Amino acid sequence: DTGVSQNPRHKITKRGQNVTFRCDPISEHNRLYWYRQTLGQGPEFLTYFQNEAQLEKSRLLSDRFSAERPKGSFSTLEIQRTEQGDSAMYLCASSSTSGSGQFFGPGTRLTVL
Amino acid sequence: AQSVSQHNHHVILSEAASLELGCNYSYGGTVNLFWYVQYPGQHLQLLLKYFSGDPLVKGIKGFEAEFIKSKFSFNLRKPSVQWSDTAEYFCAVSGQAGTALIFGKGTTLSVSS
Repeated sequence: DTGVSQNPRHKITKRGQNVTFRCDPISEHNRLYWYRQTLGQGPEFLTYFQNEAQLEKSRLLSDRFSAERPKGSFSTLEIQRTEQGDSAMYLCASSSTSGSGQFFGPGTRLTVL
Repeated sequence: AQSVSQHNHHVILSEAASLELGCNYSYGGTVNLFWYVQYPGQHLQLLLKYFSGDPLVKGIKGFEAEFIKSKFSFNLRKPSVQWSDTAEYFCAVSGQAGTALIFGKGTTLSVSS
């Protein structure tokens, strides 16, 4: 399968713990995006990278959230000191620079108890 | 503020009925417009996109959408729906190609056979 992959698919954690998610984009795509989706809402943009450079961050991305893409391939999204309000589906997408559209992965569902 | 509004939260149709899902956007400058679909248990898939040129764009599975600049609209249409079209549909907008997507809240389509 050559699509976007995300791991883990599900994560349950206790409030105050740190969690890290991984996204592997489509191999020839140099742009990678993170979104968050809660029930009944469309995805909300968090941040995106072109190669290893983080080009844009949403105001939604609090100081507890950090994303990296160290070698311009896979990316990680870390949430520190999780809160119950962080419970959501975290989506990753990738695209080429030509902007043919963003292709989404299956998401990581986070539940904070 | 940049936003996308989808008029219908839940649409229920019988097979062979025609479909039109409304989408209006608020965005300054050049826009790129998208419709994504999420089938039950699956991840978001790109249905169709508009970047420039012919305002009537055709996507996969017989869907089409029309960009009407004067109305800030990008409505999705299909002349005859099938049971397999049951899904959630999201309209999205971005500025320059490859930048962050702003999504609407989605419309759930239920098609009865």
